[in-house]
Amino acid sequence: QKEVEQDPGPLSVPEGAIVSLNCTYSNSAFQYFMWYRQYSRKGPELLMYTYSSGNKEDGRFTAQVDKSSKYISLFIRDSQPSDSATYLCATAPGSGTYKYIFGTGTRLKVLA
Amino acid sequence: DVKVTQSSRYLVKRTGEKVFLECVQDMDHENMFWYRQDPGLGLRLIYFSYDVKMKEKGDIPEGYSVSREKKERFSLILESASTNQTSMYLCASSEIYEQYFGPGTRLTVT
Repeated sequence: QKEVEQDPGPLSVPEGAIVSLNCTYSNSAFQYFMWYRQYSRKGPELLMYTYSSGNKEDGRFTAQVDKSSKYISLFIRDSQPSDSATYLCATAPGSGTYKYIFGTGTRLKVLA
Repeated sequence: DVKVTQSSRYLVKRTGEKVFLECVQDMDHENMFWYRQDPGLGLRLIYFSYDVKMKEKGDIPEGYSVSREKKERFSLILESASTNQTSMYLCASSEIYEQYFGPGTRLTVT
């Protein structure tokens, strides 16, 4: 079993839809959770990061962590064609290492 | 804004050549990382460095080495390039946990 699982997609939605992107992880020691957006042939761009459980909102993006079910989500409201990209989740233990575990990414297409 | 730059966007090398990939960050970050990214395999850590002249192996260090002589610069070296090292190479830096990535180098080994 991979430490972080992510559905590869592609996920196609109409413009304006609410998008839900999800990851599951296996190690309860993970404390930090990140979401990256990666456009084709570019490096990943950090979108949001959260520590432990709870929600974090930034504009149209909301990151949610449920440590009891080991489930992390990214919601995109009012999705735009410019949101079309691959979204990577990543986790890291709370201390002692900077080694991240990345999901393989979900490809999102927002159709105009 | 954090800026991580990589020396080349695209590189084509021949089998057996020694290849140098350079990465520079401008935020005085302690930690720097080299990953490769392949379809279906995601990001895999090759090496990371938590201080000048310090390095640790990641998950796939075979065939690679690194050098960190200055805090802002982290180099990845392919000692003898092989076709299975054709990939997208990504450098990242971080102070604590948030990693910031460079634009990537797409390396093709023929």
